[in-house]
Amino acid sequence: EVQLVESGGGLVQTGRSLRLSCAASGFSFDRYGMHWVRQAPGKGLEWVAGISWNSGSMGYADSVMGRFIISRDNAKNSLYLQIRSLTVEDTAFYYCAKDIDYYRFVFQMWGPGTLVTVFS
Amino acid sequence: AIQLAQSPSSLSASVGDRVTITCRASQGIATGLAWYQQKPAKPPKLLIYDASSLEDGVPSRFSGSGSGTDFTLTISSLQPGDFATYFCQQFNKYPPVFGGGTKVDIK
Repeated sequence: EVQLVESGGGLVQTGRSLRLSCAASGFSFDRYGMHWVRQAPGKGLEWVAGISWNSGSMGYADSVMGRFIISRDNAKNSLYLQIRSLTVEDTAFYYCAKDIDYYRFVFQMWGPGTLVTVFS
Repeated sequence: AIQLAQSPSSLSASVGDRVTITCRASQGIATGLAWYQQKPAKPPKLLIYDASSLEDGVPSRFSGSGSGTDFTLTISSLQPGDFATYFCQQFNKYPPVFGGGTKVDIK
């Protein structure tokens, strides 16, 4: 069974940094692109970052460019999102999502999410 | 970036109803569109990709159609578990973008 479990969220002050993790299991992690998608409480979905199966390609939403860094460790079946200079606008549920292919931007499977709450 | 306009933003329907949700892209995206279902306090679930391909395990009452700029998600006979919010998402052009969502609730 495909499983994605995020961790690392919490309550954090503006300007601080945070590292989110996603543990994957039940599929060949090193064959699929992976993404982070966020959702502010009660709002819509926003793709924030993606990484191809071999880390050869990475992409970021304009809203987070320069502050977010996505990475993966295929040996550990893990995905990461380093976030720095947090703002209140970063408050959201952060979902780890498995791509349907190497890096196609179709989000086939999602984790339950981890909540990041930023306060000033 | 491409913009996706979903309509309606909400609708009320009864079990057994046929429901249609539309998604319009600000420029042509061929068939690079997906549909997701999200229930409260749950992550989204992929229903349809490539505009009309049904994801494994998704009931056949869900169908998608369209290409270019106009797309449709249809639920042929609404079931109790289908009351949720539905999002379209384009993946034809970078960056991927989601529509604003359509909430389907009980009439």
